[in-house]
Amino acid sequence: DQQVKQNSPSLSVQEGRISILNCDYTNSMFDYFLWYKKYPAEGPTFLISISSIKDKNEDGRFTVFLNKSAKHLSLHIVPSQPGDSAVYFCAASNPFENRDDKIIFGKGTRLHILP
Amino acid sequence: DGGITQSPKYLFRKEGQNVTLSCEQNLNHDAMYWYRQDPGQGLRLIYYSQIVNDFQKGDIAEGYSVSREKKESFPLTVTSAQKNPTAFYLCASARGQGNGYTFGSGTRLTVV
Repeated sequence: DQQVKQNSPSLSVQEGRISILNCDYTNSMFDYFLWYKKYPAEGPTFLISISSIKDKNEDGRFTVFLNKSAKHLSLHIVPSQPGDSAVYFCAASNPFENRDDKIIFGKGTRLHILP
Repeated sequence: DGGITQSPKYLFRKEGQNVTLSCEQNLNHDAMYWYRQDPGQGLRLIYYSQIVNDFQKGDIAEGYSVSREKKESFPLTVTSAQKNPTAFYLCASARGQGNGYTFGSGTRLTVV
């Protein structure tokens, strides 16, 4: 049973446009959400996170939006650049009640930035 | 520089052989994790350890074993009992309390 779902396996976006990656979760106890970026044959790198007490967090070109009532979050990349082509993993955890601090990952969305 | 190191980057083994993947961190993180990545499957948790000399099974622990004798090291052994061992293996560490993970660069294991 997938607790974190990324329903789009891949997404293609024109360079300079906005990329929107979506993620849904089922466990209402999650209160901390993260996005990781992964290039082929490399480990994922942390991109941005958001706590459940916020509905938006911005870091440069990257913004994460959280809709708790819908159990949905999204990552916006504006403007999209060629180096953004990668696999993006949505992840969630409940760090303050989940003593083993596990992070649950989605299956990832492959983003292609088109020239 | 602090970081997490996985070695080797590529590993080839014959079917039926056990193989051990190395993971070392100098971040002074208490928690360490092993994930496996397969195409279309995302990251699946194999084993994790919150403290030295203690570890827990993840979602797909069958056919794998780990040890945590030192805080810095969390080696993963892929045994001959693992039916589909060919995959990309990722090690991660965390300080705990929701600080997210730091990942290693991964080991690509191919069993022939």
